[in-house]
Amino acid sequence: AVQLVESGGGLVQPKESLKISCAASGFTFSNAAMYWVRQAPGKGLEWVARIRTKPNNYATYYADSVKGRFTISRDDSKSMVYLQMDNLKTEDTAMYYCTASSRYNSFAYWGQGTLVTVSS
Amino acid sequence: DIQMTQSPASLSASLEEIVTITCQASQDIGNWLSWYQQKPGKSPQLLIYGATSLADGVPSRFSGSRSGTQYSLKISRLQVEDIGIYYCLQAYSAPWTFGGGTKLELK
Repeated sequence: AVQLVESGGGLVQPKESLKISCAASGFTFSNAAMYWVRQAPGKGLEWVARIRTKPNNYATYYADSVKGRFTISRDDSKSMVYLQMDNLKTEDTAMYYCTASSRYNSFAYWGQGTLVTVSS
Repeated sequence: DIQMTQSPASLSASLEEIVTITCQASQDIGNWLSWYQQKPGKSPQLLIYGATSLADGVPSRFSGSRSGTQYSLKISRLQVEDIGIYYCLQAYSAPWTFGGGTKLELK
Protein backbone atom coordinates (compact mmCIF):
# COMPACT_ATOMS: atom_id res chain seq x y z
CA ALA A 1 0.00 0.00 0.00
CA VAL A 2 1.10 3.55 -0.71
CA GLN A 3 2.32 5.44 2.32
CA LEU A 4 3.48 9.02 2.73
CA VAL A 5 4.73 9.93 6.20
CA GLU A 6 5.61 13.53 7.01
CA SER A 7 7.85 14.58 9.88
CA GLY A 8 9.79 17.52 11.22
CA GLY A 9 7.05 20.00 12.03
CA GLY A 10 7.07 22.07 15.19
CA LEU A 11 7.05 25.50 16.75
CA VAL A 12 9.49 28.08 15.42
CA GLN A 13 9.86 31.82 15.71
CA PRO A 14 9.39 34.26 12.83
CA LYS A 15 12.42 34.54 10.52
CA GLU A 16 13.69 31.13 11.61
CA SER A 17 14.13 28.07 9.38
CA LEU A 18 12.69 24.57 9.43
CA LYS A 19 13.05 21.53 7.19
CA ILE A 20 10.21 19.04 6.95
CA SER A 21 10.46 15.60 5.39
CA CYS A 22 8.23 13.02 3.75
CA ALA A 23 9.04 9.32 3.51
CA ALA A 24 7.34 7.50 0.63
CA SER A 25 6.73 3.81 0.08
CA GLY A 26 4.49 1.46 -1.88
CA PHE A 27 5.02 3.00 -5.33
CA THR A 28 7.86 3.79 -7.74
CA PHE A 29 8.93 7.03 -6.12
CA SER A 30 11.41 8.02 -8.81
CA ASN A 31 8.62 8.06 -11.42
CA ALA A 32 6.31 10.38 -9.48
CA ALA A 33 6.18 14.16 -9.28
CA MET A 34 5.92 15.15 -5.63
CA TYR A 35 4.18 18.08 -4.02
CA TRP A 36 3.64 19.93 -0.78
CA VAL A 37 0.18 21.32 0.01
CA ARG A 38 -0.66 23.27 3.17
CA GLN A 39 -3.76 24.18 5.12
CA ALA A 40 -3.82 27.02 7.64
CA PRO A 41 -6.03 26.42 10.69
CA GLY A 42 -9.70 26.60 9.67
CA LYS A 43 -8.81 27.52 6.09
CA GLY A 44 -8.76 25.88 2.68
CA LEU A 45 -6.04 24.01 0.81
CA GLU A 46 -3.08 25.82 -0.74
CA TRP A 47 -0.62 24.28 -3.17
CA VAL A 48 2.95 25.14 -2.08
CA ALA A 49 5.57 23.41 -4.23
CA ARG A 50 6.19 20.77 -6.89
CA ILE A 51 9.25 18.78 -7.92
CA ARG A 52 9.34 16.74 -11.08
CA THR A 53 11.32 13.58 -11.85
CA LYS A 54 14.89 13.04 -13.01
CA PRO A 55 13.94 12.84 -16.75
CA ASN A 56 12.39 16.30 -16.23
CA ASN A 57 15.59 17.56 -14.59
CA TYR A 58 13.97 17.69 -11.16
CA ALA A 59 12.27 20.95 -12.19
CA THR A 60 10.70 22.84 -9.29
CA TYR A 61 7.75 25.19 -9.04
CA TYR A 62 6.52 27.32 -6.15
CA ALA A 63 3.49 29.30 -5.05
CA ASP A 64 4.15 33.05 -5.13
CA SER A 65 3.60 33.19 -1.36
CA VAL A 66 6.70 31.04 -0.69
CA LYS A 67 8.91 31.71 -3.72
CA GLY A 68 12.42 32.65 -2.66
CA ARG A 69 11.90 31.35 0.89
CA PHE A 70 11.03 27.66 0.45
CA THR A 71 12.99 24.97 -1.40
CA ILE A 72 11.62 21.58 -2.36
CA SER A 73 14.04 18.71 -2.98
CA ARG A 74 14.02 14.96 -3.28
CA ASP A 75 16.31 11.97 -2.76
CA ASP A 76 15.20 9.14 -5.03
CA SER A 77 17.67 6.72 -3.41
CA LYS A 78 15.82 7.15 -0.10
CA SER A 79 12.31 7.80 -1.48
CA MET A 80 12.23 11.07 0.42
CA VAL A 81 10.99 14.54 -0.38
CA TYR A 82 11.87 17.62 1.66
CA LEU A 83 10.72 21.18 2.13
CA GLN A 84 13.32 23.64 3.41
CA MET A 85 11.51 26.67 4.81
CA ASP A 86 13.53 29.81 5.48
CA ASN A 87 12.56 33.24 6.78
CA LEU A 88 9.32 31.82 8.13
CA LYS A 89 6.37 34.12 8.71
CA THR A 90 3.38 33.78 11.01
CA GLU A 91 1.20 33.26 7.92
CA ASP A 92 3.14 30.07 7.15
CA THR A 93 1.49 28.42 10.15
CA ALA A 94 -0.33 25.41 8.71
CA MET A 95 -0.60 21.67 8.40
CA TYR A 96 1.78 20.64 5.62
CA TYR A 97 0.81 17.65 3.51
CA CYS A 98 3.05 15.66 1.20
CA THR A 99 1.29 14.40 -1.92
CA ALA A 100 2.16 12.31 -4.95
CA SER A 101 0.61 12.99 -8.31
CA SER A 102 -1.18 10.52 -10.49
CA ARG A 103 -3.26 10.73 -13.63
CA TYR A 104 -3.95 14.29 -14.86
CA ASN A 105 -1.68 15.60 -12.06
CA SER A 106 -4.30 14.69 -9.49
CA PHE A 107 -3.23 14.11 -5.89
CA ALA A 108 -4.03 10.44 -5.46
CA TYR A 109 -1.93 9.94 -2.33
CA TRP A 110 -1.65 12.10 0.78
CA GLY A 111 0.29 11.89 4.01
CA GLN A 112 -1.25 12.57 7.41
CA GLY A 113 0.41 15.99 7.57
CA THR A 114 2.93 17.70 9.85
CA LEU A 115 2.02 20.86 11.75
CA VAL A 116 4.25 23.91 11.46
CA THR A 117 3.56 26.76 13.86
CA VAL A 118 5.34 30.08 13.46
CA SER A 119 4.93 32.26 16.51
CA SER A 120 6.95 34.44 18.83
CA ASP B 1 -2.57 32.69 -12.39
CA ILE B 2 -5.69 30.60 -13.01
CA GLN B 3 -8.51 31.32 -10.56
CA MET B 4 -10.97 28.61 -9.50
CA THR B 5 -14.29 29.98 -8.26
CA GLN B 6 -16.13 27.32 -6.30
CA SER B 7 -19.80 27.47 -5.34
CA PRO B 8 -21.64 27.27 -3.09
CA ALA B 9 -19.40 27.94 -0.11
CA SER B 10 -21.75 25.92 2.07
CA LEU B 11 -24.61 23.57 1.41
CA SER B 12 -27.19 21.85 3.59
CA ALA B 13 -28.89 18.80 2.10
CA SER B 14 -31.01 15.82 3.15
CA LEU B 15 -30.10 12.16 2.95
CA GLU B 16 -30.70 10.66 -0.51
CA GLU B 17 -30.83 14.14 -2.04
CA ILE B 18 -28.88 15.03 -5.19
CA VAL B 19 -26.05 17.46 -4.49
CA THR B 20 -24.11 19.50 -7.06
CA ILE B 21 -20.98 21.59 -6.48
CA THR B 22 -19.40 23.68 -9.22
CA CYS B 23 -16.02 25.21 -10.02
CA GLN B 24 -15.54 27.89 -12.64
CA ALA B 25 -12.05 28.24 -14.10
CA SER B 26 -10.84 31.69 -15.17
CA GLN B 27 -9.42 30.21 -18.38
CA ASP B 28 -9.33 26.96 -20.33
CA ILE B 29 -7.82 24.12 -18.27
CA GLY B 30 -9.00 21.22 -20.40
CA ASN B 31 -9.63 18.16 -18.25
CA TRP B 32 -6.88 18.98 -15.72
CA LEU B 33 -9.38 19.22 -12.90
CA SER B 34 -9.76 17.00 -9.86
CA TRP B 35 -12.11 16.89 -6.86
CA TYR B 36 -11.29 16.10 -3.24
CA GLN B 37 -13.24 15.34 -0.09
CA GLN B 38 -11.88 16.27 3.33
CA LYS B 39 -13.41 15.12 6.59
CA PRO B 40 -12.64 16.88 9.91
CA GLY B 41 -9.12 16.17 11.14
CA LYS B 42 -8.29 14.04 8.10
CA SER B 43 -6.22 14.42 4.96
CA PRO B 44 -8.06 15.15 1.71
CA GLN B 45 -9.05 12.21 -0.50
CA LEU B 46 -9.20 12.14 -4.28
CA LEU B 47 -12.68 11.60 -5.71
CA ILE B 48 -12.49 12.57 -9.39
CA TYR B 49 -9.54 13.12 -11.75
CA GLY B 50 -9.40 14.26 -15.36
CA ALA B 51 -12.68 16.13 -14.72
CA THR B 52 -14.85 13.03 -15.15
CA SER B 53 -12.96 9.87 -14.07
CA LEU B 54 -13.81 8.21 -10.78
CA ALA B 55 -10.81 7.53 -8.52
CA ASP B 56 -10.18 4.00 -7.25
CA GLY B 57 -12.50 2.93 -4.47
CA VAL B 58 -14.81 5.94 -4.73
CA PRO B 59 -18.55 5.10 -4.68
CA SER B 60 -20.34 5.39 -8.01
CA ARG B 61 -22.80 7.95 -6.59
CA PHE B 62 -20.01 10.49 -7.16
CA SER B 63 -19.57 11.83 -10.68
CA GLY B 64 -17.81 14.70 -12.42
CA SER B 65 -18.73 16.65 -15.50
CA ARG B 66 -17.43 19.53 -17.60
CA SER B 67 -19.07 22.21 -19.70
CA GLY B 68 -16.45 24.50 -21.17
CA THR B 69 -14.64 26.04 -18.20
CA GLN B 70 -17.31 25.03 -15.68
CA TYR B 71 -16.82 21.82 -13.78
CA SER B 72 -19.31 20.04 -11.56
CA LEU B 73 -19.23 17.36 -8.89
CA LYS B 74 -22.48 15.51 -8.37
CA ILE B 75 -23.49 13.23 -5.51
CA SER B 76 -26.50 11.30 -6.76
CA ARG B 77 -27.89 10.17 -3.37
CA LEU B 78 -26.34 11.87 -0.36
CA GLN B 79 -25.18 9.54 2.42
CA VAL B 80 -24.12 10.36 5.98
CA GLU B 81 -20.49 9.52 5.19
CA ASP B 82 -20.43 12.18 2.44
CA ILE B 83 -20.45 15.02 4.96
CA GLY B 84 -17.29 17.10 4.77
CA ILE B 85 -15.59 19.81 2.75
CA TYR B 86 -15.09 19.47 -0.98
CA TYR B 87 -12.39 21.14 -3.08
CA CYS B 88 -11.62 21.35 -6.76
CA LEU B 89 -8.05 21.68 -8.06
CA GLN B 90 -6.73 22.83 -11.40
CA ALA B 91 -3.43 21.24 -12.40
CA TYR B 92 -3.20 22.64 -15.91
CA SER B 93 -0.49 25.17 -15.18
CA ALA B 94 1.54 26.31 -12.20
CA PRO B 95 0.67 27.59 -9.75
CA TRP B 96 -1.85 24.81 -9.18
CA THR B 97 -4.94 26.37 -7.58
CA PHE B 98 -7.67 25.00 -5.39
CA GLY B 99 -11.22 26.25 -5.20
CA GLY B 100 -12.28 27.87 -1.96
CA GLY B 101 -14.11 24.76 -0.74
CA THR B 102 -17.73 23.75 -0.19
CA LYS B 103 -18.83 22.70 3.28
CA LEU B 104 -21.52 20.05 2.94
CA GLU B 105 -23.79 19.49 5.93
CA LEU B 106 -26.87 17.40 6.65
CA LYS B 107 -30.18 19.15 6.84
